[in-house]
Amino acid sequence: QVQLQQSGAELAKPGSSVKISCKASGYTFTSYYISWIKQTTGQGLEYIGYINTGSGGTNYNEKFKGKATLTVDKSSSTAFMQLSSLTPDDSAVYYCARGRWYFDFWGPGTMVTVSS
Amino acid sequence: DIQMTQSPSVLSASVGDRVTLSCKASQNINKNLDWYQQKLGEAPKLLIYFTNNLQTGIPSRFSGSGSGTDYTLTISSLQPEDVATYYCYQYNSGPTFGAGTKLELK
Repeated sequence: QVQLQQSGAELAKPGSSVKISCKASGYTFTSYYISWIKQTTGQGLEYIGYINTGSGGTNYNEKFKGKATLTVDKSSSTAFMQLSSLTPDDSAVYYCARGRWYFDFWGPGTMVTVSS
Repeated sequence: DIQMTQSPSVLSASVGDRVTLSCKASQNINKNLDWYQQKLGEAPKLLIYFTNNLQTGIPSRFSGSGSGTDYTLTISSLQPEDVATYYCYQYNSGPTFGAGTKLELK
């Protein structure tokens, strides 16, 4: 069965970076894009961007350019998202999801808390 | 950015009711719209893709329709397990989610 397993919760200081992982199983990893979505109580759901897991090509929501960097390790069927220069506004639950235009499987989410 | 306005923000309905949720885009999105269901403490779940295509495994009481700027998710007979927040999502341009409709049981 298709599964997306995400790394655990992160507590980070302002100005630092975190790297979240999303390990896929149950399907051919390079046959589907991986997208990333942010969820906060205040802003709701926000689309961050996607990565072509075969080529490594990426596309970002303008708002997250410079904030998020998406990468992939095909050998371990894992996608990564690095968030840099963290501020309290980056505190959220971050989901990875399979797909580019629609997201048919989601990871359980990774909570990132930015606090000094 | 395309703005997605969902209405109502909260909907109370009884088991067995026909329920209609609305999503209006600020410009034509050419049917490039999906619907997601999110239950408390869980990740969103895909219900409908490209306006009216039912995702595998989703009960047939869920259906989607629309065109241009106006889209609808319909639940033909509300069940207790349908209590959730429902989001529309457009990917026509600069992908955006709606703010959600919280569906409660009356």
